[in-house]
Amino acid sequence: AQRVTQPEKLLSVFKGAPVELKCNYSYSGSPELFWYVQYSRQRLQLLLRHISRESIKGFTADLNKGETSFHLKKPFAQEEDSAMYYCALNRGTGANNLFFGTGTRLTVIP
Amino acid sequence: KAGVTQTPRYLIKTRGQQVTLSCSPISGHRSVSWYQQTPGQGLQFLFEYFSETQRNKGNFPGRFSGRQFSNSRSEMNVSTLELGDSALYLCASSLGVGGTEAFFGQGTRLTVV
Repeated sequence: AQRVTQPEKLLSVFKGAPVELKCNYSYSGSPELFWYVQYSRQRLQLLLRHISRESIKGFTADLNKGETSFHLKKPFAQEEDSAMYYCALNRGTGANNLFFGTGTRLTVIP
Repeated sequence: KAGVTQTPRYLIKTRGQQVTLSCSPISGHRSVSWYQQTPGQGLQFLFEYFSETQRNKGNFPGRFSGRQFSNSRSEMNVSTLELGDSALYLCASSLGVGGTEAFFGQGTRLTVV
């Protein structure tokens, strides 16, 4: 069975400080990993996916298969980064079938 | 292009009733998935439809069902509502092939009293 774990429910950092949101997963196959973000009063939207290896809004995430992790990082946090972040796993079958972690609420303190 | 549209946005129902929620995907998207979001359980996958066929199903009782029409619009139905069915129901659409982005709707907030 698949599982996504986000150990921190809440995370507060000061503006300009580095931020890391942790995500660990368990799945026996070759999953696709994603980070979704939900800003206040907005819909859930894709931030990053591991297969594209791109940087969005300064965020990066590297899939570490050995540690089964997909941590989200940004070197300098901005106030507009305050939001709810969800790590999600897709079983890689092509289906739109995401398993979400419980989410981390990031607050960037001015 | 228009995003994923869910109707209605809010719904209040009584225990034992049934409810139907609607989702219109982005034009050209053939996959529609449904998720339940609650404070206690978070985001949980209900089922996915692709080209009018259920392709995947989550771990929910049979009271939860869905369907997809030839224009890719989807509906989900919950029968014999229970208080615990109160949640935000999200719909997501995608092209339906591997690795493509899922776009979410604003959700329907269902309250069962």
